[in-house]
Amino acid sequence: AQTVTQSQPEMSVQEAETVTLSCTYDTSESDYYLFWYKQPPSRQMILVIRQEAYKQQNATENRFSVNFQKAAKSFSLKISDSQLGDAAMYFCAYRSNAGGTSYGKLTFGQGTILTVHP
Amino acid sequence: NAGVMQNPRHLVRRRGQEARLRCSPMKGHSHVYWYRQLPEEGLKFMVYLQKENIIDESGMPKERFSAEFPKEGPSILRIQQVVRGDSAAYFCASSRSNQPQHFGDGTRLSIL
Repeated sequence: AQTVTQSQPEMSVQEAETVTLSCTYDTSESDYYLFWYKQPPSRQMILVIRQEAYKQQNATENRFSVNFQKAAKSFSLKISDSQLGDAAMYFCAYRSNAGGTSYGKLTFGQGTILTVHP
Repeated sequence: NAGVMQNPRHLVRRRGQEARLRCSPMKGHSHVYWYRQLPEEGLKFMVYLQKENIIDESGMPKERFSAEFPKEGPSILRIQQVVRGDSAAYFCASSRSNQPQHFGDGTRLSIL
């Protein structure tokens, strides 16, 4: 079974600075997706960014980018020019792309609470 | 273009009662997933359904919990004879076949 680990329960950053959130995962599969979701106090789950395992190029979405190290099974999220609205719980998630009944379900890490200081 | 709709937003039940949580997927989405989030924890997968079929229920407790996604109408997560430990936020997500999942706002279930 796949597992996702976020080793940083809490992180903080000054507004306009850069912060990196860590995520490692364990899988024996070679075809999968990785995601970062944001959950603000409203509890809504918002997709931030996704990475397909077969793509070597790291995904970027505006101020958000990832450092995907497939061999190391590491998938960190970098937030540049942090804004107050970035404050939230961030979850790393894994999804198999291998077919079968496990296809589709997301396996989440424990989450990292990000605080942004003005 | 409405997103994933869950209702009710909050549900309060007494121990022993039944809880019914509803989820209407986004238009065009035929895949529905239910997750449970306990306080201070990440989301845990419960069940994955396509229209009228349960594809994967490996995360759902064997007793008291059931889910359906009928041909017409919303997906329903049903919890019978609720206990205090069922208190959690329950999230529904939907997707097209191989696309990212879009989440609803969740139902917060409180057991008295």
